[in-house]
Amino acid sequence: GQQLNQSPQSMFIQEGEDVSMNCTSSSIFNTWLWYKQDPGEGPVLLIALYKAGELTSNGRLTAQFGITRKDSFLNISASIPSDVGIYFCAGQRGNRDDKIIFGKGTRLHILP
Amino acid sequence: EPEVTQTPSHQVTQMGQEVILRCVPISNHLYFYWYRQILGQKVEFLVSFYNNEISEKSEIFDDQFSVERPDGSNFTLKIRSTKLEDSAMYFCASSGQGGTEAFFGQGTRLTVV
Repeated sequence: GQQLNQSPQSMFIQEGEDVSMNCTSSSIFNTWLWYKQDPGEGPVLLIALYKAGELTSNGRLTAQFGITRKDSFLNISASIPSDVGIYFCAGQRGNRDDKIIFGKGTRLHILP
Repeated sequence: EPEVTQTPSHQVTQMGQEVILRCVPISNHLYFYWYRQILGQKVEFLVSFYNNEISEKSEIFDDQFSVERPDGSNFTLKIRSTKLEDSAMYFCASSGQGGTEAFFGQGTRLTVV
C-alpha cells in the first residue's frame, strides 16, 4: 500500500525551540502537503509543495519537497504555545485533485 | 474566507441504524471527498466524487457506504447499517478546478453504540 512514514511520533520541546519533523515514502509523490490538526477540528493546510527540491516558507514554518520526491520535512522555528497540535504530512501521487494520503502524524507538546 | 461546513458536529447512533452525514463544500469547487479518522489514528481516504459520480474509492468504502450530491450545494455520506467500528471522525473536503488544494471541514464525530 501507499504508506507515509512520519517521524517522530511525538515531541516534547521548550517554548522558543526549533522543531523538525519529516516524512518518507517508498513511492514517488507529485505533491507533498503539511497539515496541522487541533483537537476536535479538521486538518488545516500549512504548506503545499509541488516541485522536487522546492523549499517553501509560511511564517515560522519551512518545508521542503525532497529531491527524490520520496520525502519531505517541516521545520518550525521559535515555537510558541499555539503550535501545540498534531502535524500530518500528506501526499498526492497524481494530480492535485487526487486523493490525499496521510502520514500518522507528529504530536507536538510544548513545555512551559 | 470560504469554508467547508459539516453537520451535525456529533452524531450518536445505534448499531444497525442508517446515518447520513452532510457537507456543504466550497461553492465553486468541483471535486468532493470523504475521509475518516478513527480516534488517535491517521486520516484515511474513503471516496472522491466528481462530475456526479464516484471517481475513486478505498477498500473501506464498501457496499454499506454511499455518497450523493442531491442538489447544487450538499454532498452527503450515507452509512446504511452502522457498525461499532464505524465510530470515527468523518471529514468532508473539496477542491476546485485546476488543482487547488483540498479544504477540509470541521468533521462529524460519529459514535455508534
